[in-house]
Amino acid sequence: DIQMTQSPSSLSASVGDRVTITCRASQGISNYLAWYQQKPGKVPKLLIYGASILQSGVPSRFSGSGSGTDFTLTISSLQPEDVATYYCQKYNSAPLTFGGGTKVEIK
Amino acid sequence: EVQLVQSGAEVKKPGESLKISCKGSGYSFTNYWIGWVRQMPGKGLEWMGIIYPGDLDTKYSPSFQGQVTISADKSITTAYLQWSSLKASDTAMYYCARCGHTYGASHFDYWGQGIQVTVSS
Repeated sequence: DIQMTQSPSSLSASVGDRVTITCRASQGISNYLAWYQQKPGKVPKLLIYGASILQSGVPSRFSGSGSGTDFTLTISSLQPEDVATYYCQKYNSAPLTFGGGTKVEIK
Repeated sequence: EVQLVQSGAEVKKPGESLKISCKGSGYSFTNYWIGWVRQMPGKGLEWMGIIYPGDLDTKYSPSFQGQVTISADKSITTAYLQWSSLKASDTAMYYCARCGHTYGASHFDYWGQGIQVTVSS
């Protein structure tokens, strides 16, 4: 099965910083990659699918890129409400594995 | 409005059986895959499996194959996750979620509120 590896596992950045999270697939998955945000104690929320398509209602400071095995989630200007854990998920074929998560905190 | 409403929290003893539910509304239940995700305390999201209510086609993660059963009843637009013999290690939050495309298993665009399952003697 394809493994999904996220890096870093956690990061701390200042408000207004540009933040980048990486997700790597152990085999090519084309653009079948989604990103989720889970705030503490809350239900996960879809941010991006198709590697770069912003889900309706998601702020434009979030963006995704990549294809094949390497993907990134970028927050262009970190806001206090972005404190959360972010997960990637591949969905080219079952099992639709999640990455291990990246915890984002404010410095 | 698409909604997935899950049944309430459960406290069980090891060895007991359990079936939790997820009722979908606001969309064509038979046309979208619906799946289950486990989140153990303080840990990440784990994809367990999905079912297509239209024909009951089911796909499991190898990690959960044989450990749980996913089912659905399209007459009442409800999906289920069940265990025949719970273990303490099944203690977790369980989410149901709908796949975002009608043409295949995909990302999850709508999520239920989660069910806390606690297994303790």
